[in-house]
Amino acid sequence: EAGVAQSPRYKIIEKRQSVAFWCNPISGHATLYWYQQILGQGPKLLIQFQNNGVVDDSQLPKDRFSAERLKGVDSTLKIQPAKLEDSAVYLCASSFTIDRLETQYFGPGTRLLVL
Amino acid sequence: SQQGEEDPQALSIQEGENATMNCSYKTSINNLQWYRQNSGRGLVHLILIRSNEREKHSGRLRVTLDTSKKSSSLLITASRAADTASYFCATHGSSNTGKLIFGQGTTLQVKP
Repeated sequence: EAGVAQSPRYKIIEKRQSVAFWCNPISGHATLYWYQQILGQGPKLLIQFQNNGVVDDSQLPKDRFSAERLKGVDSTLKIQPAKLEDSAVYLCASSFTIDRLETQYFGPGTRLLVL
Repeated sequence: SQQGEEDPQALSIQEGENATMNCSYKTSINNLQWYRQNSGRGLVHLILIRSNEREKHSGRLRVTLDTSKKSSSLLITASRAADTASYFCATHGSSNTGKLIFGQGTTLQVKP
């Protein structure tokens, strides 16, 4: 079974530039998550999708971050404009359902450095 | 603030020794999960323990849960160099969805 795919793996940009990350979840997984992991910390949820609908985006900085999952499969996360504090690893995860007992499968992450 | 807090933040042991990591959380839980993260990689699910369970085993892993103390521990027995990684506990907090709230993690180094 193929895992969660993410691209790019690394990205370096200057502040105020924009950047986009892509995620392809495991086939058949209805729930997709984007987490932000700052160095030395645990991941923090940014946004959660159930199919193509948003379940939770309470911690997404909506003035600069946006995400979509138009066809309920792939997802993109965009930052515009980026700030220095956005330097982090952006992890995508998916699970079969939204149930709390479901295992979340994580992609390798995109490491973003904002200069 | 993070729901789970791990202790210690860093742990260094010799191969063959046991490693114990602790996690404390704040709110009532449905279950508690442990994940491993190798350097530069994504997280891998290790084990889930439900709130009505007190202990669970998976291979060399043993997890305990004490809901009265709002704490959990992860024991890795007979550690190997390949166990070197960061370990995170996670809960759902008050959420009814799959949203996970992670602690800051314990970094484990196993020396060969």
